[in-house]
Amino acid sequence: AQSVAQPEDQVNVAEGNPLTVKCTYSVSGNPYLFWYVQYPNRGLQFLLKYITGDNLVKGSYGFEAEFNKSQTSFHLKKPSALVSDSALYFCAVSPNTGFQKLVFGTGTRLLVSP
Amino acid sequence: NAGVTQTPKFQVLKTGQSMTLQCAQDMNHNSMYWYRQDPGMGLRLIYYSASEGTTDKGEVPNGYNVSRLNKREFSLRLESAAPSQTSVYFCASSLLAENNEQFFGPGTRLTVL
Repeated sequence: AQSVAQPEDQVNVAEGNPLTVKCTYSVSGNPYLFWYVQYPNRGLQFLLKYITGDNLVKGSYGFEAEFNKSQTSFHLKKPSALVSDSALYFCAVSPNTGFQKLVFGTGTRLLVSP
Repeated sequence: NAGVTQTPKFQVLKTGQSMTLQCAQDMNHNSMYWYRQDPGMGLRLIYYSASEGTTDKGEVPNGYNVSRLNKREFSLRLESAAPSQTSVYFCASSLLAENNEQFFGPGTRLTVL
């Protein structure tokens, strides 16, 4: 069965600094990987996904993520954080064979200070 | 496009009461999902419908039933609510079940006393 680990409950970063939100996964075979963001009292919004191809995936709002197969990681990054990036971030994984359910991590709260 | 809509936004039930959470999407998506979100546990899949006319259990289906009423609508029913079902419930949809991003509704905050 697949699983996702987000080892940090919270990440603090100053505005303008680069940010990284970590995600590691376990899945049989090759993965589909996703990042979602949740703002307070809202549903999740899709940020980006890795299906195949280039290991560096670019997504919405200037975010990107790097797929590393040997380390089974898919860390979310942004070169320069904004206060408005403060939110809850979820990593999710599914195997890439047929219909497979997404499994979500427990989420990482990102706080960007002015 | 409204995207994914859910009703109600908030609900308080007493133990043993029943209710149905409604979900509709206007994106012509084939697949729909129900999740619950609890603090420190991320999102857990309750039931899903890969396509109209099919439904399947997810990770935590006990105490729930679903109906895929048509391509647009997917409802979640609690037959006899329990305090352990206090949670935030999210409906989501995707164009296809495989490798497609899911679009989420705004959620229903349910409290069972």
